[in-house]
Amino acid sequence: QKEVEQDPGPLSVPEGAIVSLNCTYSNSAFQYFMWYRQYSRKGPELLMYTYSSGNKEDGRFTAQVDKSSKYISLFIRDSQPSDSATYLCAMGTGGYNKLIFGAGTRLAVHP
Amino acid sequence: SQTIHQWPATLVQPVGSPLSLECTVEGTSNPNLYWYRQAAGRGLQLLFYSVGIGQISSEVPQNLSASRPQDRQFILSSKKLLLSDSGFYLCAWTGTGRHEQFFGPGTRLTVL
Repeated sequence: QKEVEQDPGPLSVPEGAIVSLNCTYSNSAFQYFMWYRQYSRKGPELLMYTYSSGNKEDGRFTAQVDKSSKYISLFIRDSQPSDSATYLCAMGTGGYNKLIFGAGTRLAVHP
Repeated sequence: SQTIHQWPATLVQPVGSPLSLECTVEGTSNPNLYWYRQAAGRGLQLLFYSVGIGQISSEVPQNLSASRPQDRQFILSSKKLLLSDSGFYLCAWTGTGRHEQFFGPGTRLTVL
């Protein structure tokens, strides 16, 4: 079993839709969680960082962490074609800040 | 503000040739530095990390090596490339006491 599971998609939605991206994990020692956005042939860009259960909002993005279920989500409201990218979840336990990444979910938002 | 550079952006090398990829960070001091490889359609695999000059930890045994000759410089090398070394190589940094990692633009390596 992988430490972090993420559905690779692709996920195709119409412009304006609410998008839900999810990751599950098996290691209860994970303390902090991140979401990255990666455009084709580019480096990942940090979108959200959180270390506690609950919700964190930043503009159209909401990160949700449920440590009891070992489940994290990223919600994108009013999705735009510019949101079309691969979204990677990542999590760490604290040691030298090493992160474990999900495989990424490819999202396509069509006009 | 902090910026991270990687070069070259693209590289095509024959099997058995040497490799040197460079990563530099500006605007911070004593960062933790990381090398990742991303195969097509897959997540990021941590290859090496460094917490200081000359301090390198290897995560995956392979024919690659890393060095940190200066505080903000991280180099990934190989003496003889294999076909399986093809991929997208990413350098990342994080500040002291921080968890968020910030990535460079990456180097796309094709070994023929």
